[in-house]
Amino acid sequence: AQTVTQSQPEMSVQEAETVTLSCTYDTSENNYYLFWYKQPPSRQMILVIRQEAYKQQNATENRFSVNFQKAAKSFSLKISDSQLGDTAMYFCAFMKHEGGSEKLVFGKGTKLTVNP
Amino acid sequence: GAVVSQHPSWVICKSGTSVKIECRSLDFQATTMFWYRQFPKQSLMLMATSNEGSKATYEQGVEKDKFLINHASLTLSTLTVTSAHPEDSSFYICSQLAPGGPYNEQFFGPGTRLTVL
Repeated sequence: AQTVTQSQPEMSVQEAETVTLSCTYDTSENNYYLFWYKQPPSRQMILVIRQEAYKQQNATENRFSVNFQKAAKSFSLKISDSQLGDTAMYFCAFMKHEGGSEKLVFGKGTKLTVNP
Repeated sequence: GAVVSQHPSWVICKSGTSVKIECRSLDFQATTMFWYRQFPKQSLMLMATSNEGSKATYEQGVEKDKFLINHASLTLSTLTVTSAHPEDSSFYICSQLAPGGPYNEQFFGPGTRLTVL
């Protein structure tokens, strides 16, 4: 079974600085997708960034980028120029194919606080 | 992204009663929807996969007779918590699978906070 591990329960960063959230996963599949979701205090899940496993190039979305190391099964999220609005829970997720539909397996999350 | 709504946003009920939560797709037809449960300070746990026109598929450990799922149309799925008990108090989130593209992205509803007294 696929598992997703986020080893940092909580992190903090100063506004305008850079922070990296770690995520590792375990799977025997070769083709899959990885995601980072943000859950602010409103609790609305928001997709931050996604990565297809067959793509070697790391995904980038504005201030958010990933370091995808397929062999190491590592998928870290880097947030540059941190903003107060980035304060949220961040969940790493793995999408597997099971039973004809795609299911998301989430890590336990990292609570990120951006300090002014 | 797609817009998914949930109703109600929060509900308080007495122990032993049933509560229905609606999940609606507002701008596309979703053949597959997912229901998650999130306890305080924890991650999302998949409860079941809801397929339009067929029976839902429940994850191991989730009681299908307690958590009734109906996906009668391409824009609406409902989760009914039957004979609710205080331990059922949680945050329930639905998501919808958007068809097309190189992968099927899930769009999440805003969630429903259930409190059972």
